[in-house]
Amino acid sequence: AQSVTQLGSHVSVSEGALVLLRCNYSSSVPPYLFWYVQYPNQGLQLLLKYTTGATLVKGINGFEAEFKKSETSFHLTKPSAHMSDAAEYFCAVSDANAGNMLTFGGGTRLMVKP
Amino acid sequence: DTGVSQDPRHKITKRGQNVTFRCDPISEHNRLYWYRQTLGQGPEFLTYFQNEAQLEKSRLLSDRFSAERPKGSFSTLEIQRTEQGDSAMYLCASSGGLASGELFFGEGSRLTVL
Repeated sequence: AQSVTQLGSHVSVSEGALVLLRCNYSSSVPPYLFWYVQYPNQGLQLLLKYTTGATLVKGINGFEAEFKKSETSFHLTKPSAHMSDAAEYFCAVSDANAGNMLTFGGGTRLMVKP
Repeated sequence: DTGVSQDPRHKITKRGQNVTFRCDPISEHNRLYWYRQTLGQGPEFLTYFQNEAQLEKSRLLSDRFSAERPKGSFSTLEIQRTEQGDSAMYLCASSGGLASGELFFGEGSRLTVL
């Protein structure tokens, strides 16, 4: 079975500061990993994904994440937070043996202070 | 708009009533997924279809829940004899079956059971 743990259900940063959202996973097979963002009363939008190849993945809106197999981590970062980044962020792992079903973490709410 | 669409966006019902949600996936996508999301939690997998075949069902999907995708296009999720614990956002997603497993989400149907 696969699982995802997101450390910190709430993260608060100042505008312009570094954003770091943590994600650890467990998977019995090589994982495909995803970060999704959800704005209030909306569905989930893909930020970035790791499948194979380069372990540093760049996504939309200046976000990036690094796959570290030895640490079973896929942390999301952004060098400089913007007010518009305030949202809920979800890390997910894909199960290719179950129709690419995604297993999500509990989410991290990012708050950006002016 | 050619994304995933869900209807209705909001549904308020009384306990014991039946409700049905509809999902129209991206037209060329053969896989369709239903997830449930409660406040402050990550989405939880309910079921998925490949074309018209329902291939996986979560234990969360009690006997009161039924999902169909009769022609391999749109899908419906019906909840019979609703309970207050069914109050949640019901998310639909579709994918083209790519190995990367990226899912495209609709904006969700929010259910409130009084």
